[in-house]
This record gives sequence, C-alpha cells and structure tokens, in this order.
Amino acid sequence: AQKITQTQPGMFVQEKEAVTLDCTYDTSDQSYGLFWYKQPSSGEMIFLIYQGSYDEQNATEGRYSLNFQKARKSANLVISASQLGDSAMYFCAMREGRGSNYQLIWGAGTKLIIKP
Amino acid sequence: DGGITQSPKYLFRKEGQNVTLSCEQNLNHDAMYWYRQDPGQGLRLIYYSQIVNDFQKGDIAEGYSVSREKKESFPLTVTSAQKNPTAFYLCASSSERQSNYGYTFGSGTRLTVV
Repeated sequence: AQKITQTQPGMFVQEKEAVTLDCTYDTSDQSYGLFWYKQPSSGEMIFLIYQGSYDEQNATEGRYSLNFQKARKSANLVISASQLGDSAMYFCAMREGRGSNYQLIWGAGTKLIIKP
Repeated sequence: DGGITQSPKYLFRKEGQNVTLSCEQNLNHDAMYWYRQDPGQGLRLIYYSQIVNDFQKGDIAEGYSVSREKKESFPLTVTSAQKNPTAFYLCASSSERQSNYGYTFGSGTRLTVV
C-alpha cells in the first residue's frame, strides 16, 4: 500500500488565486514528519515546508502553509496568491520515526501550472 | 556555502559503456542517497549510505553500483547492465541533527544514451 498519496497528477490555476495541493499519508508511527518540495523545470529539488507530527500549529513559510489534519492523515500544501514562478512539480514526503539517518518516503508528485 | 555538487550536469553514454556520476557534499551529513527520475515521474531510490564504507540497495539498484570511501563523496556508476539508463539522477544528503529539513539535494545529472 502506498504510504504517501498525491491524488492530483496535474493542476491548472489562475495567477493570484490560492492553490491547495493534496497529500495523504499512512503510518502507524506516533512520531513522523511531513515535507513538501518544489521541483522547477530545471530539476533541482527545493525544500518548502516541514510539519512534525507533534506540532500543534500548522506550519507556515511565507506564502506556503501546510494544512495538517492528523486524524484524517492529510498534509495539504496551500500556496496563497499564486505566481507564474510557482509552476513546477510538487512532492510530498514523509519521515517515519526517529533515529539515526532516516529515509523519506515520496509521493508521485503534482504538476502545477499557473496561468497568466 | 555548504551544499551538494553533482557533476557533470549533462552526460552522454554510448551503449555498453559504464559511466560514473559524481556527488560531493560539504555539509558534514552522514547519509547520502541516489535517486532516479524519469520524465514526469517521481523519485525512485537507487542506493543509499548511512555511514562511510557502508551502503544499501534501494528499490531499483540493478545495473548500478556505488562506493562511499569518504564521508563527502558518494559516486554512482551506471553500468552496461542497466538497459535503460536515460534519466535524471539526483543525489541527496541528510543529517539526523537537521531532520526537520529533510534532504538537501544536488542540482542533478541528466544522462542520455546515444
């Protein structure tokens, strides 16, 4: 069974609108972390935001926020006031447990295209 | 500045050749990873290493080999046994001390078989 599910292969959004990218996860661990990365067409992976399983507040980083609903096991990325430069692939990832040198489990990604 | 350097950015391989992709980090991270990405797809783990002189196979290790003789370096060799090596290859590193930041990635190498 997939541990990270991104149900939106692609999305088109009008510039300046808010965008929500979906991510659901599956884990039996109590301690875990959730990440979002952006991959522009150039290929580099850019870290956007992190949410720990024990964090009570939703994470925010500038125009990015993570809508963390623990009971539903969802960690959706919200981009406010979208810009043309937000066009990219977006990946959700999960770190399970703690300990030396964890691995991230990756979703399949969502391709976001911002229309002018 | 600390980071991960992958080289070359573009690489062309003839059929039957082995090629080596370089990955160097100066972040003092213990763990390093190699991923393969096909167009429009997600990341697939090839190999990873948590300490020097030790590494483990990922999901698609066949046709690839790695070494970890130094903490800073984790080169990936794409051997002639890899039948479809054309892809984008990403190297990453991580540290338990900075686990809230996930992985740090290099800028990638695009490998094409000619």
